Amino acid sequence: DAKTTQPPSMDCAEGRAANLPCNHSTISGNEYVYWYRQIHSQGPQYIIHGLKNNETNEMASLIITEDRKSSTLILPHATLRDTAVYYCIVRVMNAGGTSYGKLTFGQGTILTVHP
Amino acid sequence: DARVTQTPRHKVTEMGQEVTMRCQPILGHNTVFWYRQTMMQGLELLAYFRNRAPLDDSGMPKDRFSAEMPDATLATLKIQPSEPRDSAVYFCASGRTGTSGSSYEQYFGPGTRLTVT
Repeated sequence: DAKTTQPPSMDCAEGRAANLPCNHSTISGNEYVYWYRQIHSQGPQYIIHGLKNNETNEMASLIITEDRKSSTLILPHATLRDTAVYYCIVRVMNAGGTSYGKLTFGQGTILTVHP
Repeated sequence: DARVTQTPRHKVTEMGQEVTMRCQPILGHNTVFWYRQTMMQGLELLAYFRNRAPLDDSGMPKDRFSAEMPDATLATLKIQPSEPRDSAVYFCASGRTGTSGSSYEQYFGPGTRLTVT
């Protein structure tokens, strides 16, 4: 799976958009970008995933550059409850053998939303 | 609202004792994962199962750790004997994967916080 690079920490004011970047310059054509987050003392939580088109769901939007070497997770109106570690993960969607659904977590970005 | 459940939530034990952690995956999910999280190493995949069959346990210390799925509603992770370096939060996650390997999100449990003294 391709390696990802994220800033170690970011701040955001409550009510403003939080834009979390992720670099994945070695991504392959069949690799998807996944985002998870981990709120303190809880298990990681799935947010969104995409291949090359921008994606949006009730939690966030995912913007993937045309060359797919980087992406941005957007929380449109951050709240205090969005304070968490955000993980960007790149992996093959259809990986059989011993790679079914396997996720490799990096260090992530600590997002702090302040009042 | 379907959730992955884990028991116990907290466990304190002495070095050398056996520890068993249990996980109930979401009904209908066919893939179960065990992760360990420490401050130093972050989140590490220990082992995982698909349709109750072990697929990969290369992340697990073989001499003391064992993982099983006695049935589709129960996954267990056992440490025998436990050591202080095993102190960590252990997460179980479940998801669905298709025969072609397609899979989507994983749902994580609340974790078991293990302290070995």
